[in-house]
Amino acid sequence: EPEVTQTPSHQVTQMGQEVILRCVPISNHLYFYWYRQILGQKVEFLVSFYNNEISEKSEIFDDQFSVERPDGSNFTLKIRSTKLEDSAMYFCASTWDTLVGHTDTQYFGPGTRLTVL
Amino acid sequence: AQTVTQSQPEMSVQEAETVTLSCTYDTSESDYYLFWYKQPPSRQMILVIRQEAYKQQNATENRFSVNFQKAAKSFSLKISDSQLGDAAMYFCAYRGPSSNYQLIWGAGTKLIIKP
Repeated sequence: EPEVTQTPSHQVTQMGQEVILRCVPISNHLYFYWYRQILGQKVEFLVSFYNNEISEKSEIFDDQFSVERPDGSNFTLKIRSTKLEDSAMYFCASTWDTLVGHTDTQYFGPGTRLTVL
Repeated sequence: AQTVTQSQPEMSVQEAETVTLSCTYDTSESDYYLFWYKQPPSRQMILVIRQEAYKQQNATENRFSVNFQKAAKSFSLKISDSQLGDAAMYFCAYRGPSSNYQLIWGAGTKLIIKP
């Protein structure tokens, strides 16, 4: 069964450093998302991406964040200058299977645990 | 704005027994989707079950079923014959009618299974 993959599984970085989190969405999916979950808190939406551009973003997704689909398979989240409060689990998700018309379900990757020291 | 509320921070159940996790939501939309996701200690987010608001019939997936009360805006998850592997955080999530809409999440319920 197709699945969303994310790398790395765990990233440790120093405050102020740039990090890039990588995701490979399910093939034929067209909508991509990033969510984050600070330990012990609820999942928060960051950004959605469709047709090579951001379709929606939350207040959290400020100028420090950017997303990109550099090729036909990868979907990346970049944090330019990490802060301590960026420490969280970051989840990538994808939806909309063109082969079956549409899907109402977002499928999640295993997450990347980001630790900012 | 839509909101999702899970009022039970933690629930416990004896192995093989049945447990119900509660979820309420608020929306002005008539068409939407509701989901239960499971998050084990590995922290991966796993879809358990989904419900389309336009369907009156409650969704079921093996030991998992929902009680969807659209008028009351309630969406509870029932786990029958609880197993040790069911121990996890369970999140209720709402998505509006369009495929590109974000998921809006509840705070989660920690389910403990007693052997």
